[in-house]
Amino acid sequence: QVQLKESGPGLVAPSQSLSITCTVSGFSLASYGVHWLRQPPGKGLEWLGVIWAGGNTNYNSALMSRLSISKDNSKTQVFLKMNSLQTDDTAMYYCARDSVNAFDYWGQGTTLTVSS
Amino acid sequence: DIVLTQSPGTLSVTPGDRVSLSCRASQSISNYLHWYQQKSHESPRLLIKYASQSMSGIPSRFSGSGSGTDFTLNINSVETEDFGMYFCQQSNSWPLTFGAGTKLELK
Repeated sequence: QVQLKESGPGLVAPSQSLSITCTVSGFSLASYGVHWLRQPPGKGLEWLGVIWAGGNTNYNSALMSRLSISKDNSKTQVFLKMNSLQTDDTAMYYCARDSVNAFDYWGQGTTLTVSS
Repeated sequence: DIVLTQSPGTLSVTPGDRVSLSCRASQSISNYLHWYQQKSHESPRLLIKYASQSMSGIPSRFSGSGSGTDFTLNINSVETEDFGMYFCQQSNSWPLTFGAGTKLELK
């Protein structure tokens, strides 16, 4: 069955960078895009960006200067990197499979706290 | 960016009620509108895509309608497992955006 699972550092200091991995199973990264989204505590959802099956990316313009999404098809992993983190980057970070720009399968999420 | 406005913010209902949740877009988005349910401490789940297409495994009491700027998610006879947050999302243009959500709670 389709599964996605995020793994990340949990706690990052302000101004530092972040790397989160999404490991997928049950589908091929060569056939499906994968999106990254986040949700601050008690708030709504924000789309961050997507890496398509062919390797192209689209980013939320509000965060584009700080974001990078890449993948390793053979390892079935997608990577999110974000730099210059601030306290308002504290959120649950999700990866989700693309269904023509909707999100049909989601990971369980990984919590990120930005704090000194 | 396209802004999605969901109303009401909170809806207090009794099991068995029929409810309608609204999502209004700041500009026309055709039918590029999707609905998600999120229960407490869980990931969102896609219920309806392209305004009215129900996802596999979603109970038939959930239905969606609308096009252009006005969209509705209907729940026919709410069950206790339906309580939680509901978000709409547009895919008409970049960046993909979400509404702030409607909380469906027990009266």
